[in-house]
Order: sequence, then structure tokens, then C-alpha cells
Amino acid sequence: AQTVTQSQPEMSVQEAETVTLSCTYDTSESDYYLFWYKQPPSRQMILVIRQEAYKQQNATENRFSVNFQKAAKSFSLKISDSQLGDAAMYFCAYRIDANAGGTSYGKLTFGQGTILTVHP
Amino acid sequence: EAQVTQNPRYLITVTGKKLTVTCSQNMNHEYMSWYRQDPGLGLRQIYYSMNVEVTDKGDVPEGYKVSRKEKRNFPLILESPSPNQTSLYFCASRLSGSSSYNEQFFGPGTRLTVL
Repeated sequence: AQTVTQSQPEMSVQEAETVTLSCTYDTSESDYYLFWYKQPPSRQMILVIRQEAYKQQNATENRFSVNFQKAAKSFSLKISDSQLGDAAMYFCAYRIDANAGGTSYGKLTFGQGTILTVHP
Repeated sequence: EAQVTQNPRYLITVTGKKLTVTCSQNMNHEYMSWYRQDPGLGLRQIYYSMNVEVTDKGDVPEGYKVSRKEKRNFPLILESPSPNQTSLYFCASRLSGSSSYNEQFFGPGTRLTVL
């Protein structure tokens, strides 16, 4: 079974600084997707960034970037120029798609989450 | 507006009293699923559905039922709730097809407390 591990239950950062959240996963597959989700106090799940395993280039979305190390099965999230609005729970997630009856589907497997606090 | 809606948002109930949490999406998505979120465990999939009348168990299906009679609706049924089902529940939907851009859209969550 695939597992996703976030070893940092809590992290903190000063406003305008950079912080990196860690994520490792276990899989025997070669083709899969990785995601980071943000969950603010409103509890809404917000997609932050995505990465296809077949792509060697690390994904970036504005202040958010990932360090994807496929051989090490590592997928860390870097937040640059941290803002107060970045404070939230962050989840790493893995997805592998299977095909059945011509339809491709796959569940998200989530890590335990990391609570990020941003200090002014 | 494209969205996934859940009702109720908050529910306090007692052990053994049947309840249903509704989920509806307006994006014509084939794939829908239910997750529960517990501290230290992240989100875990309860059930999923690939399309109308096609459902299957996720990782933690015990104590839950689902149905998919219409494409847009995917209710979660707890026929005899127990305190260990106290949790935050999310419904999610997405297009089928193997692409990272077929992302999951999540509902706002339902906070359930079983006394």
C-alpha cells in the first residue's frame, strides 16, 4: 500500500522568510502524481501545487515551489516570502490512477499534515 | 460557480441514530469520493464512485454506506453512528482521466460529533 509521511507536525516561519515542508512517500509505481494542499482555519482544501512523476522539472506556482526527488521518493514544498495568509495546515498527497472499463480513476493518499505558523 | 456542496456543515447526534450527509457537485464529474479527516492521520478515503451506480470501498469503509443514483449526488449514510465516527468529513469530485489537471474539488466539510 502506498503511504505518505510528513515528519514535521508543526513548523514556524517569520513573515517574508522562506520555509520548507517535508514529505516522503512509498510506492513501487513509476507513474503517479503528487500534490500539496493547504487547509486554512476555514477547513477548505485548497490545491497549492501539483507534480507529475514523469516530469523531471520541479513545479512552481508563484511563491510556492517543490523539490521533487523521485529516486529518494521525496517531495518537499518551499514557500518563499512567507505571508500571514500562508498560515494553515499543509497536506502532501499522492495519487496513482488505475484503469477500469475505459475509465481512469485514483484516490488521493494523504500525509498526516504539517501546521505552519507565520510570525509577523 | 463550480462547486461541491455538503449538508449539514455541523451535526451533533447520538449513538445509533441514523444520519445522512448529502454531497452534490455541479461540474458533471464522474468520480466522487468521501474522506474523513482525523488529527495525526490526515485524510483517509471512505468510499468512492466512478460513475452512476458504481461504488467501491476505500480505506476505512466500516460503518458507512453510500449510493450513487444520480451523477451529481453522492450521499454518505451512517446507519448506526458510533463515537469513533466523530470526525471531519469531506466530499470530493473530479473528472475521470489520468491527468494531474483532473484535480479533486473538495466540499466545505461536515463536522460530525457522535455522543
